[in-house]
Amino acid sequence: EDQVTQSPEALRLQEGESSSLNCSYTVSGLRGLFWYRQDPGKGPEFLFTLYSAGEEKEKERLKATLTKKESFLHITAPKPEDSATYLCAVQEGSNYKLTFGKGTLLTVNP
Amino acid sequence: ETGVTQTPRHLVMGMTNKKSLKCEQHLGHNAMYWYKQSAKKPLELMFVYNFKEQTENNSVPSRFSPECPNSSHLFLHLHTLQPEDSALYLCASSQERTSGQETQYFGPGTRLLVL
Repeated sequence: EDQVTQSPEALRLQEGESSSLNCSYTVSGLRGLFWYRQDPGKGPEFLFTLYSAGEEKEKERLKATLTKKESFLHITAPKPEDSATYLCAVQEGSNYKLTFGKGTLLTVNP
Repeated sequence: ETGVTQTPRHLVMGMTNKKSLKCEQHLGHNAMYWYKQSAKKPLELMFVYNFKEQTENNSVPSRFSPECPNSSHLFLHLHTLQPEDSALYLCASSQERTSGQETQYFGPGTRLLVL
């Protein structure tokens, strides 16, 4: 069973159409949840770290939230340059390793 | 993020070749990582070095051999690879492994094709 599940696998939006990406996890003792953005042919770019349920972080049109079972990445009024694959990763307890989900491919059409 | 650089960016090699991937971080970090990213799969951790000491080998075949001469440089030596090893190889670094500042920063990756 996957420890980190991202949904949907792919999402197509019109410019300005707000939506949310989901990352659900089954690890116990969450140490941290990380969001990254990855453009084609490039390495993941760090966006946010969330540590405890109820925590929220914002960056431009992106807002990440965390509950005890999942995280959401809300995209408000997206632009075409927000098109990318968004990756979620969790770090469990005293284990430093990151466990990644498969990502959500976001396409924003002009 | 230009703090982590990787060379080469693209590599094509035959199954009998020997090549090396290089990673350098300019962030003053002490932990470095190698990941493999294949299509439709999550990133897979391969190796971890903390203060130049290898602390993780995630059941990686011996045809992949890592080397970490200092905290800023990491190499991945490749020999007798298989076509299924074709993937994007990513290097990452973090402040330390367990300091509470474990955010990993990634390089741009090396796209490897094994013929």
